[in-house]
Amino acid sequence: DSGVTQTPKHLITATGQRVTLRCSPRSGDLSVYWYQQSLDQGLQFLIQYYNGEERAKGNILERFSAQQFPDLHSELNLSSLELGDSALYFCASSVGPFFTSGDNEQFFGPGTRLTVL
Amino acid sequence: QKEVEQDPGPLSVPEGAIVSLNCTYSNSAFQYFMWYRQYSRKGPELLMYTYSSGNKEDGRFTAQVDKSSKYISLFIRDSQPSDSATYLCAMSGGSNYQLIWGAGTKLIIKP
Repeated sequence: DSGVTQTPKHLITATGQRVTLRCSPRSGDLSVYWYQQSLDQGLQFLIQYYNGEERAKGNILERFSAQQFPDLHSELNLSSLELGDSALYFCASSVGPFFTSGDNEQFFGPGTRLTVL
Repeated sequence: QKEVEQDPGPLSVPEGAIVSLNCTYSNSAFQYFMWYRQYSRKGPELLMYTYSSGNKEDGRFTAQVDKSSKYISLFIRDSQPSDSATYLCAMSGGSNYQLIWGAGTKLIIKP
């Protein structure tokens, strides 16, 4: 158990809908990262927040948005869902804003499996 | 061309074999090199990391970095069926130290 929690575990929805994925980082971690993993794309970095502020953006679609709240939990909002959005969505957390030593590794949650029908 | 290239496999070897997993990269600013292991339907977990060039050993696992060739390797000795997983390389450095991920290699150890 990494200490990172994600809810829900599974989500089945229809095209065009909107969903919210939730992540609680490990106690003491200030950074939260969101990743998408699909069979043909591997692990894709979406976005990072550090202490409530957006720090880095990856391949995140405009239909997707995220935020980190004062209690440091984070939510990833996916809207106008398409079939191609079906994937595993991982949240990870780390102490600092970037990797500079083994003390700042990213710990991954168990993921949310999203199925868009 | 991707910044980090990794053969997705699958790589299938018999139990007890020495496994070699590799990544190549193009950004000479990378300084931290990591290997993550991901079991099916689970989140990745950090296996080893290396700073700059050289070797690092941890039990049956050895990580090697050759910065001159922009090539990193993970060796697994006496491979076990429990080593069957996807192995992802990741690296960081440069202006923002953002982690850049390889595609992951699926490893299958046959009993």
